Amino acid sequence: DAGVTQSPTHLIKTRGQQVTLRCSPKSGHDTVSWYQQALGQGPQFIFQYYEEEERQRGNFPDRFSGHQFPNYSSELNVNALLLGDSALYLCASSLVPGAMNTEAFFGQGTRLTVV
Amino acid sequence: SQQGEEDPQALSIQEGENATMNCSYKTSINNLQWYRQNSGRGLVHLILIRSNEREKHSGRLRVTLDTSKKSSSLLITASRAADTASYFCATDLYNQGGKLIFGQGTELSVKP
Repeated sequence: DAGVTQSPTHLIKTRGQQVTLRCSPKSGHDTVSWYQQALGQGPQFIFQYYEEEERQRGNFPDRFSGHQFPNYSSELNVNALLLGDSALYLCASSLVPGAMNTEAFFGQGTRLTVV
Repeated sequence: SQQGEEDPQALSIQEGENATMNCSYKTSINNLQWYRQNSGRGLVHLILIRSNEREKHSGRLRVTLDTSKKSSSLLITASRAADTASYFCATDLYNQGGKLIFGQGTELSVKP
């Protein structure tokens, strides 16, 4: 049973460029959430997708956008990259968001470096 | 702002000793989840404890939850060098649809 898979593993981009990160959820999961983890910090919630719609959003600017496809996979897009966007981007998948037993499983992350 | 705060920020012990990490939070939760992270890689799910549970075990892990004090603890018994990692608690807030709020983490070092 494949877990959560993310691609690419590492990425180097230049300031001002745009980037797309991809995530395939754990088999059977229909909800995907994205998190940003700066060095030495805990992950911070970016947004959550369920039924191909953005259901919740954290405190991130509109430069961060996403999409969920009918097969539940998801993309995170970041436009006009800033140096401060350098971080580990984590994707988590789950079932039944908000239920007491809902476990969230994470992928290995994409390390984005903006130069 | 972060909902959870973890204590201590760093912990160094010898193999075979027990390690205890604490997590405090501020608002009502559905559940609290503990994760392990090795060297800035992905998060490995360790254990989930629901808001109506007080204690849960999984192998060498024991988690407690005190909703009156809004705190949780993770105990790793008989630690091994392979347990060296960062440990995070994450709260699934009540009525927040599954958004996880993470603490800053505890960096555990287990020396052989």
